Amino acid sequence: EDQVTQSPEALRLQEGESSSLNCSYTVSGLRGLFWYRQDPGKGPEFLFTLYSAGEEKEKERLKATLTKKESFLHITAPKPEDSATYLCAVKGGSEKLVFGKGTKLTVNP
Amino acid sequence: DAMVIQNPRYQVTQFGKPVTLSCSQTLNHNVMYWYQQKSSQAPKLLFHYYDKDFNNEADTPDNFQSRRPNTSFCFLDIRSPGLGDAAMYLCATEGLAGNEQFFGPGTRLTVL
Repeated sequence: EDQVTQSPEALRLQEGESSSLNCSYTVSGLRGLFWYRQDPGKGPEFLFTLYSAGEEKEKERLKATLTKKESFLHITAPKPEDSATYLCAVKGGSEKLVFGKGTKLTVNP
Repeated sequence: DAMVIQNPRYQVTQFGKPVTLSCSQTLNHNVMYWYQQKSSQAPKLLFHYYDKDFNNEADTPDNFQSRRPNTSFCFLDIRSPGLGDAAMYLCATEGLAGNEQFFGPGTRLTVL
Protein backbone atom coordinates (compact mmCIF):
# COMPACT_ATOMS: atom_id res chain seq x y z
CA GLU A 1 0.00 0.00 0.00
CA ASP A 2 1.31 3.44 -0.96
CA GLN A 3 2.02 5.68 2.04
CA VAL A 4 3.13 9.26 2.61
CA THR A 5 4.37 10.72 5.89
CA GLN A 6 5.09 14.41 6.26
CA SER A 7 7.11 16.08 8.97
CA PRO A 8 6.96 18.21 10.93
CA GLU A 9 3.19 18.54 11.36
CA ALA A 10 3.61 22.25 12.05
CA LEU A 11 6.49 24.66 11.62
CA ARG A 12 6.84 28.25 12.77
CA LEU A 13 9.50 30.42 11.15
CA GLN A 14 10.53 34.03 11.37
CA GLU A 15 10.48 35.95 8.13
CA GLY A 16 13.75 35.25 6.33
CA GLU A 17 14.48 32.06 8.29
CA SER A 18 15.06 29.29 5.75
CA SER A 19 13.99 25.69 6.46
CA SER A 20 12.88 22.42 4.87
CA LEU A 21 9.76 20.28 4.97
CA ASN A 22 10.07 16.50 4.66
CA CYS A 23 7.93 13.99 2.79
CA SER A 24 8.79 10.30 3.24
CA TYR A 25 7.05 7.84 0.98
CA THR A 26 6.66 4.21 0.04
CA VAL A 27 5.11 3.49 -3.32
CA SER A 28 4.93 0.69 -5.82
CA GLY A 29 6.23 2.05 -9.09
CA LEU A 30 6.53 5.81 -8.63
CA ARG A 31 4.72 7.69 -11.39
CA GLY A 32 5.22 11.08 -9.74
CA LEU A 33 5.59 12.95 -6.46
CA PHE A 34 3.51 16.11 -6.15
CA TRP A 35 3.67 19.13 -3.88
CA TYR A 36 0.60 21.28 -3.28
CA ARG A 37 -0.04 24.40 -1.24
CA GLN A 38 -3.37 24.69 0.58
CA ASP A 39 -4.63 27.90 2.15
CA PRO A 40 -7.32 27.70 4.86
CA GLY A 41 -10.76 26.95 3.44
CA LYS A 42 -9.45 26.52 -0.11
CA GLY A 43 -8.54 23.70 -2.46
CA PRO A 44 -4.94 22.57 -2.94
CA GLU A 45 -2.89 24.59 -5.43
CA PHE A 46 -0.38 22.68 -7.54
CA LEU A 47 3.30 23.54 -7.02
CA PHE A 48 5.59 20.82 -8.43
CA THR A 49 5.79 17.34 -9.89
CA LEU A 50 8.97 15.28 -9.51
CA TYR A 51 9.41 12.02 -11.40
CA SER A 52 12.79 10.53 -10.57
CA ALA A 53 15.46 10.57 -7.88
CA GLY A 54 17.84 13.48 -8.24
CA GLU A 55 15.28 15.73 -9.87
CA GLU A 56 14.89 19.28 -8.54
CA LYS A 57 12.39 22.04 -9.33
CA GLU A 58 12.23 25.65 -8.20
CA LYS A 59 9.57 28.31 -8.02
CA GLU A 60 10.30 31.65 -6.38
CA ARG A 61 11.39 30.86 -2.79
CA LEU A 62 10.51 27.16 -3.03
CA LYS A 63 12.70 24.30 -4.19
CA ALA A 64 11.62 20.66 -4.27
CA THR A 65 14.04 17.74 -4.36
CA LEU A 66 13.53 13.99 -4.64
CA THR A 67 15.36 10.86 -3.53
CA LYS A 68 14.21 7.25 -3.71
CA LYS A 69 12.62 7.45 -0.26
CA GLU A 70 11.81 11.08 0.41
CA SER A 71 11.28 14.56 -0.93
CA PHE A 72 12.16 17.89 0.59
CA LEU A 73 10.52 21.24 0.07
CA HIS A 74 13.11 23.88 0.83
CA ILE A 75 11.88 27.37 1.64
CA THR A 76 14.46 30.11 1.29
CA ALA A 77 13.96 33.43 3.10
CA PRO A 78 10.23 32.88 3.59
CA LYS A 79 7.72 35.69 3.78
CA PRO A 80 4.44 35.81 5.73
CA GLU A 81 2.52 35.13 2.51
CA ASP A 82 4.19 31.71 2.33
CA SER A 83 2.14 30.67 5.36
CA ALA A 84 -0.06 27.73 4.33
CA THR A 85 -0.34 23.97 4.63
CA TYR A 86 1.96 22.15 2.22
CA LEU A 87 0.73 18.77 1.02
CA CYS A 88 2.84 16.02 -0.50
CA ALA A 89 1.29 13.25 -2.60
CA VAL A 90 2.55 10.28 -4.60
CA LYS A 91 1.12 8.47 -7.58
CA GLY A 92 2.11 4.86 -8.07
CA GLY A 93 0.93 1.94 -10.10
CA SER A 94 -2.66 2.46 -8.97
CA GLU A 95 -2.65 5.84 -10.76
CA LYS A 96 -4.30 7.40 -7.70
CA LEU A 97 -2.88 10.23 -5.63
CA VAL A 98 -2.07 9.31 -2.02
CA PHE A 99 -1.66 12.38 0.16
CA GLY A 100 0.17 13.04 3.38
CA LYS A 101 -1.49 15.02 6.16
CA GLY A 102 0.55 18.08 5.36
CA THR A 103 2.85 20.49 7.15
CA LYS A 104 1.27 23.68 8.43
CA LEU A 105 3.78 26.48 7.93
CA THR A 106 3.48 29.80 9.74
CA VAL A 107 5.88 32.61 8.88
CA ASN A 108 5.89 35.45 11.35
CA PRO A 109 6.85 38.98 10.24
CA ASP B 1 -9.17 31.30 -17.31
CA ALA B 2 -9.59 27.54 -17.43
CA MET B 3 -10.60 26.30 -14.05
CA VAL B 4 -12.46 23.95 -11.73
CA ILE B 5 -15.58 25.45 -10.15
CA GLN B 6 -17.47 24.08 -7.19
CA ASN B 7 -20.90 25.12 -5.99
CA PRO B 8 -21.94 25.95 -3.44
CA ARG B 9 -18.83 27.00 -1.51
CA TYR B 10 -20.68 26.43 1.77
CA GLN B 11 -23.56 24.03 2.33
CA VAL B 12 -25.51 23.52 5.52
CA THR B 13 -27.87 20.57 5.76
CA GLN B 14 -29.75 18.71 8.43
CA PHE B 15 -29.00 15.22 9.63
CA GLY B 16 -30.49 12.80 7.10
CA LYS B 17 -31.48 15.45 4.54
CA PRO B 18 -30.06 14.67 1.07
CA VAL B 19 -27.60 17.11 -0.40
CA THR B 20 -25.95 17.52 -3.81
CA LEU B 21 -22.62 19.20 -4.46
CA SER B 22 -21.60 20.21 -7.96
CA CYS B 23 -18.35 20.57 -9.84
CA SER B 24 -17.72 21.94 -13.30
CA GLN B 25 -14.54 22.32 -15.31
CA THR B 26 -13.44 24.28 -18.35
CA LEU B 27 -10.21 22.30 -18.76
CA ASN B 28 -11.85 19.58 -20.87
CA HIS B 29 -10.09 16.95 -18.76
CA ASN B 30 -11.11 13.32 -19.02
CA VAL B 31 -10.66 12.43 -15.37
CA MET B 32 -12.60 13.91 -12.47
CA TYR B 33 -12.16 13.10 -8.79
CA TRP B 34 -14.07 13.66 -5.57
CA TYR B 35 -12.15 13.86 -2.31
CA GLN B 36 -13.28 14.30 1.28
CA GLN B 37 -11.00 16.29 3.56
CA LYS B 38 -11.56 16.64 7.30
CA SER B 39 -9.75 19.14 9.46
CA SER B 40 -5.98 18.57 9.57
CA GLN B 41 -6.38 15.38 7.55
CA ALA B 42 -5.17 14.31 4.14
CA PRO B 43 -7.67 14.45 1.28
CA LYS B 44 -9.36 11.05 0.99
CA LEU B 45 -10.38 9.80 -2.44
CA LEU B 46 -14.07 8.87 -2.65
CA PHE B 47 -14.38 8.02 -6.36
CA HIS B 48 -13.29 9.09 -9.80
CA TYR B 49 -14.44 9.06 -13.39
CA TYR B 50 -12.33 8.27 -16.39
CA ASP B 51 -14.60 9.77 -19.01
CA LYS B 52 -17.90 8.08 -18.09
CA ASP B 53 -16.29 5.07 -16.42
CA PHE B 54 -17.05 5.27 -12.71
CA ASN B 55 -14.53 3.98 -10.16
CA ASN B 56 -15.58 3.70 -6.54
CA GLU B 57 -13.07 3.37 -3.71
CA ALA B 58 -13.64 0.23 -1.66
CA ASP B 59 -14.14 2.13 1.59
CA THR B 60 -16.45 4.84 0.24
CA PRO B 61 -19.78 4.52 2.09
CA ASP B 62 -22.87 3.60 0.06
CA ASN B 63 -24.34 6.86 1.32
CA PHE B 64 -22.17 8.65 -1.24
CA GLN B 65 -23.12 8.57 -4.91
CA SER B 66 -21.89 10.42 -7.96
CA ARG B 67 -23.07 11.38 -11.42
CA ARG B 68 -21.21 12.69 -14.44
CA PRO B 69 -23.72 13.69 -17.12
CA ASN B 70 -21.07 15.12 -19.45
CA THR B 71 -17.34 15.96 -19.59
CA SER B 72 -17.78 19.31 -17.88
CA PHE B 73 -19.96 18.45 -14.90
CA CYS B 74 -19.79 16.05 -11.99
CA PHE B 75 -22.06 15.77 -8.94
CA LEU B 76 -21.66 14.32 -5.48
CA ASP B 77 -24.86 13.15 -3.83
CA ILE B 78 -24.99 12.38 -0.12
CA ARG B 79 -28.22 10.51 0.41
CA SER B 80 -28.51 10.70 4.20
CA PRO B 81 -25.81 12.91 5.68
CA GLY B 82 -24.58 12.07 9.14
CA LEU B 83 -22.63 14.24 11.53
CA GLY B 84 -19.47 12.41 10.49
CA ASP B 85 -19.91 13.57 6.90
CA ALA B 86 -19.19 17.17 7.80
CA ALA B 87 -16.04 18.00 5.87
CA MET B 88 -14.56 19.87 2.93
CA TYR B 89 -15.39 18.17 -0.37
CA LEU B 90 -12.86 18.72 -3.11
CA CYS B 91 -13.30 18.15 -6.83
CA ALA B 92 -10.25 17.71 -9.02
CA THR B 93 -9.56 17.10 -12.69
CA GLU B 94 -6.68 15.52 -14.56
CA GLY B 95 -5.76 15.45 -18.21
CA LEU B 96 -4.56 12.47 -20.22
CA ALA B 97 -0.91 13.28 -19.52
CA GLY B 98 -1.60 12.69 -15.82
CA ASN B 99 1.00 15.21 -14.76
CA GLU B 100 -1.03 16.89 -12.04
CA GLN B 101 -4.52 17.25 -10.65
CA PHE B 102 -6.22 20.63 -10.62
CA PHE B 103 -8.44 21.25 -7.63
CA GLY B 104 -11.51 23.37 -7.19
CA PRO B 105 -11.97 25.66 -4.18
CA GLY B 106 -13.98 23.04 -2.30
CA THR B 107 -17.42 22.92 -0.69
CA ARG B 108 -17.54 23.09 3.08
CA LEU B 109 -20.40 20.87 4.28
CA THR B 110 -21.93 21.37 7.71
CA VAL B 111 -24.43 18.83 9.08
CA LEU B 112 -26.71 20.00 11.88
